[in-house]
Amino acid sequence: QQQVKQSPQSLIVQKGGISIINCAYENTAFDYFPWYQQFPGKGPALLIAIRPDVSEMKEGRFTISFNKSAKQFSLHIMDSQPGDSATYFCAADSSYKLIFGSGTRLLVRP
Amino acid sequence: ETGVTQTPRHLVMGMTNKKSLKCEQHLGHNAMYWYKQSAKKPLELMFVYNFKEQTENNSVPSRFSPECPNSSHLFLHLHTLQPEDSALYLCASSQGRGEDEQFFGPGTRLTVL
Repeated sequence: QQQVKQSPQSLIVQKGGISIINCAYENTAFDYFPWYQQFPGKGPALLIAIRPDVSEMKEGRFTISFNKSAKQFSLHIMDSQPGDSATYFCAADSSYKLIFGSGTRLLVRP
Repeated sequence: ETGVTQTPRHLVMGMTNKKSLKCEQHLGHNAMYWYKQSAKKPLELMFVYNFKEQTENNSVPSRFSPECPNSSHLFLHLHTLQPEDSALYLCASSQGRGEDEQFFGPGTRLTVL
């Protein structure tokens, strides 16, 4: 029940395309869902986050879509750029600790 | 120095060695964390400290021993490790626990021979 399942494991997108990463959870007690971005040689950094009382959160080209009834949420990267190539982790907050997904390695081809 | 720093960045040790990882945060945060990152696995939370007190030990083997002498410094003492302990060890800090943004250091790449 503590798991957060993330897919796909890897994703290749052409420049200008839309990247979509999906996550699913079981524990209905989760109430905060951040996405972290990690570049090689760096630690993860917070990208965007959402709470379950809203269905969408947008920051620039990055959007989280949240489906509370399905217990799923996804990250959409519009107009994907080569600089977006990184590993993305979804996470969920439970009892003051973050449970992370297994990560998606995104490659955006020029 | 700004943010969260970790030393060393790379460490190779034998199974009988004793070594320590160091983390320092320059953000004035009150909570600090150790995570283990292995290939194709989720980040695994190991320990949480809040105001220097350990609040979470996520069933971590005793060969990993954390120490938090103050809110700015966190250590992970290593002894008698196994090859499967080879991973990237990440330190993070946040203002408080829970929903406060966690700021990560660059990690220590540990290889156990």
